[in-house]
Amino acid sequence: QKEVEQNSGPLSVPEGAIASLNCTYSDRGSQSFFWYRQYSGKSPELIMSIYSNGDKEDGRFTAQLNKASQYVSLLIRDSQPSDSATYLCAVRTGNQFYFGTGTSLTVIP
Amino acid sequence: DAGITQSPRYKITETGRQVTLMCHQTWSHSYMFWYRQDLGHGLRLIYYSAAADITDKGEVPDGYVVSRSKTENFPLTLESATRSQTSVYFCASFHSGGGENEQFFGPGTRLTVL
Repeated sequence: QKEVEQNSGPLSVPEGAIASLNCTYSDRGSQSFFWYRQYSGKSPELIMSIYSNGDKEDGRFTAQLNKASQYVSLLIRDSQPSDSATYLCAVRTGNQFYFGTGTSLTVIP
Repeated sequence: DAGITQSPRYKITETGRQVTLMCHQTWSHSYMFWYRQDLGHGLRLIYYSAAADITDKGEVPDGYVVSRSKTENFPLTLESATRSQTSVYFCASFHSGGGENEQFFGPGTRLTVL
């Protein structure tokens, strides 16, 4: 069974701080990795994708991938109250996507 | 409207009734998926389709039926609804081949089985 594990939440950070979200996956054949943000009652929204080892930055978001350790992370700099949501890690293996159960983030003003 | 649409957005039904959830995408993506989302379980794959007339089971297919006669439509049918099928259902799509293969989600259908 392919597994995607995320760090248990909920996670609370003060406004302006860095939020760090972590994810591990079990299948070494996985080739693509994604972070989705999901607001309560809404559908998941893609915020970052990463395909090769290293860092990928997009605005306040940085995704980090380490395939040897089977580890993906998401850093949110200068966290804002609007970042309060559940963050889902997803891993693509072949033509299927596997999701973690999500980490709930609250940014405190 | 471009993207993925789902209908109905909310549905209440009774145990034993047949229910069909609709999904339509305008991108001509080859792959389409149905997930259910429940507290504590995250997103679980029910069925997926690689192209018209090609479907396959996911993690939790029991009690569900799918079809895909056209690339843009992927309906999900609960043949005899049970209370355990109360959930939020998301349809998603992506195009396999070249570039970044992100998966995009529809707005979801909240189904309650009484």
